[in-house]
Amino acid sequence: SAVISQKPSRDICQRGTSLTIQCQVDSQVTMMFWYRQQPGQSLTLIATANQGSEATYESGFVIDKFPISRPNLTFSTLTVSNMSPEDSSIYLCSVELVGTDGRTQYFGPGTRLLVL
Amino acid sequence: AQSVAQPEDQVNVAEGNPLTVKCTYSVSGNPYLFWYVQYPNRGLQFLLKYITGDNLVKGSYGFEAEFNKSQTSFHLKKPSALVSDSALYFCAVRTLGGSARQLTFGSGTQLTVLP
Repeated sequence: SAVISQKPSRDICQRGTSLTIQCQVDSQVTMMFWYRQQPGQSLTLIATANQGSEATYESGFVIDKFPISRPNLTFSTLTVSNMSPEDSSIYLCSVELVGTDGRTQYFGPGTRLLVL
Repeated sequence: AQSVAQPEDQVNVAEGNPLTVKCTYSVSGNPYLFWYVQYPNRGLQFLLKYITGDNLVKGSYGFEAEFNKSQTSFHLKKPSALVSDSALYFCAVRTLGGSARQLTFGSGTQLTVLP
């Protein structure tokens, strides 16, 4: 597995502001992802963070709202821009590791965001 | 399109009793199945996965899951539940040849183990 950390672990923000979430992995990984988990809901993939190129966004998510950086193979950031209360969620980063038993995604501890 | 169903939002079981958390899936091609657990105020932790081979997969914390191709199910089981097993459990699926972007999660099942 991998050791994945996220900062901040939680935050309370005012509407209209932006928050940048950091994700750090203890080893170099090719595939890195950002998910959103709205209250009482399952996980929804926001985007794949690609090292050295723009992120690949899923349907319903756009770069202007969720800009992502991936400066190297161990680090990524997700910014939640111009926040509204609807953005209150848990944001999770994940990495995919390839082993002898195939590929598995491992998740960070999440960032709990409350927008007032 | 692939999908995962967790038919029970909530499962309650007494400590020491066996537990089952149900999962059924729909996917084109061979499935790659996962179980994750989310403890309160924590991220998702990987429990176990099925790729091919033995239909009974053993994972972390004494959990196991049985792959049943004919019933397209991948139920999570544990012979003797602990209060500390109380958490939110997610089943996930993608095709063996699919990309990581195609990992689809179920809606989650809240397991409560009663002392």
